[in-house]
Amino acid sequence: SQQGEEDPQALSIQEGENATMNCSYKTSINNLQWYRQNSGRGLVHLILIRSNEREKHSGRLRVTLDTSKKSSSLLITASRAADTASYFCATARTLTSYDKVIFGPGTSLSVIP
Amino acid sequence: DAGVIQSPRHEVTEMGQEVTLRCKPISGHDYLFWYRQTMMRGLELLIYFNNNVPIDDSGMPEDRFSAKMPNASFSTLKIQPSEPRDSAVYFCASSLWTGSGYTFGSGTRLTVV
Repeated sequence: SQQGEEDPQALSIQEGENATMNCSYKTSINNLQWYRQNSGRGLVHLILIRSNEREKHSGRLRVTLDTSKKSSSLLITASRAADTASYFCATARTLTSYDKVIFGPGTSLSVIP
Repeated sequence: DAGVIQSPRHEVTEMGQEVTLRCKPISGHDYLFWYRQTMMRGLELLIYFNNNVPIDDSGMPEDRFSAKMPNASFSTLKIQPSEPRDSAVYFCASSLWTGSGYTFGSGTRLTVV
C-alpha cells in the first residue's frame, strides 16, 4: 500500500486563492518531500522537510509536518494559473542501508484564471 | 548542468520487440533511479543504483526488465520482449543521496501495440 496519500485527489481554485494539499503516511520517516509535475513533464522537487522540522517556507510555498499525526500539508499562497499541475508527496524512511522514498498518488490542482 | 537527460522522449513499438531506454544523470549525483508512472499504479520505483552498482531491484516487474549502469554518466533500462501492459511513462532520476531531493528527467513515454 502507499506510504503517502495525498488529499484531496483533485482541487480547483480561482487564481489568487490559496491552495492546501495534505499528505498522510503510515510509518516513521526521515524526511518528506513535495514535488510538482506539469502535464507531460517530469517531476520537479519543491521542498524537503526533515522529521525534526515542523514548518518550512520557500517563496509562496509553505510546508508543515506533524509527525505525531503522520501528516504534512503544502500551502500555495496567491495561486497563479502556472501552478496548475499535479503535486506529489514523497516519504523517505531508512531501511537497512538506504532511505527508501515512496511517492503518493498525487493531488491534481487546477488554478482557473 | 542540463539536468537529467532521457531518450527517446516517445517510443512506439510492437509487442515482442526489444525496447531500450536511456538516461544520463546529473554529474556528481551518486544515485540513479528508474521509475514507471501509470494512471493505475502511480509512480513505482523499479530499480536504483549507487555508484553504478544496482542496490535494490525489487521493483523490477519481471525478468523481461533489466537495467545497467556501465559508468557514472549513463544508464539503460531494457524490456525484452515488450508487452502492451508495459506501456507507461518511464522516468529516470538522480540524486546526491537516497534521502535528498531527486532531479527527474522528462521521461520516455512508451507505447507497446
